[in-house]
Amino acid sequence: QQQVKQSPQSLIVQKGGISIINCAYENTAFDYFPWYQQFPGKGPALLIAIRPDVSEKKEGRFTISFNKSAKQFSLHIMDSQPGDSATYFCAASMTDSWGKLQFGAGTQVVVTP
Amino acid sequence: DTGVSQNPRHKITKRGQNVTFRCDPISEHNRLYWYRQTLGQGPEFLTYFQNEAQLEKSRLLSDRFSAERPKGSFSTLEIQRTEQGDSAMYLCASSFTSSGNTIYFGEGSWLTVV
Repeated sequence: QQQVKQSPQSLIVQKGGISIINCAYENTAFDYFPWYQQFPGKGPALLIAIRPDVSEKKEGRFTISFNKSAKQFSLHIMDSQPGDSATYFCAASMTDSWGKLQFGAGTQVVVTP
Repeated sequence: DTGVSQNPRHKITKRGQNVTFRCDPISEHNRLYWYRQTLGQGPEFLTYFQNEAQLEKSRLLSDRFSAERPKGSFSTLEIQRTEQGDSAMYLCASSFTSSGNTIYFGEGSWLTVV
């Protein structure tokens, strides 16, 4: 049973465009929501993370928007670059379960020149 | 920090053979995790250690799988009597208790069972 549902499965965006990936969760005990970026043949790398006490967090071109009532959060990649082409995973965990992340299925992002 | 190191990076084995993967966490990280990732899917939690104690095991970790972390430093994940369904990437990650939920993954060890 997948506790974190991610969409879309893949997306293609032009250079300079905005990539938007959405995730939804069911377990209201989740209180930490990270996004990971993974390149082929590599391990996932932490990109940005948010806690439910804030509705938005921005780091450079990456922004997480969080809607606690809807149990949804999303990643926005502004000014997308070809180097952003990768698979992105959302995840969630609970404070009393440190490191036990529940991952979404991933979104493959392709940024065309 | 040199990052989480995993060896071997790739392993091809015949069905029924045993394989062992090693993980060296980031120096001074007291928590260590194993995840499994199959093609097109997100990583799935297998088990984690705090220092040398194995605190939680997923139901995904059948009795053919065993993980150890002697002396609370490196860890090994052994799979006995491998099956084709074991083919996946095995990811190790580590964290430090005071860093909260932030965990750092290694490059993974690819297992192909033929």
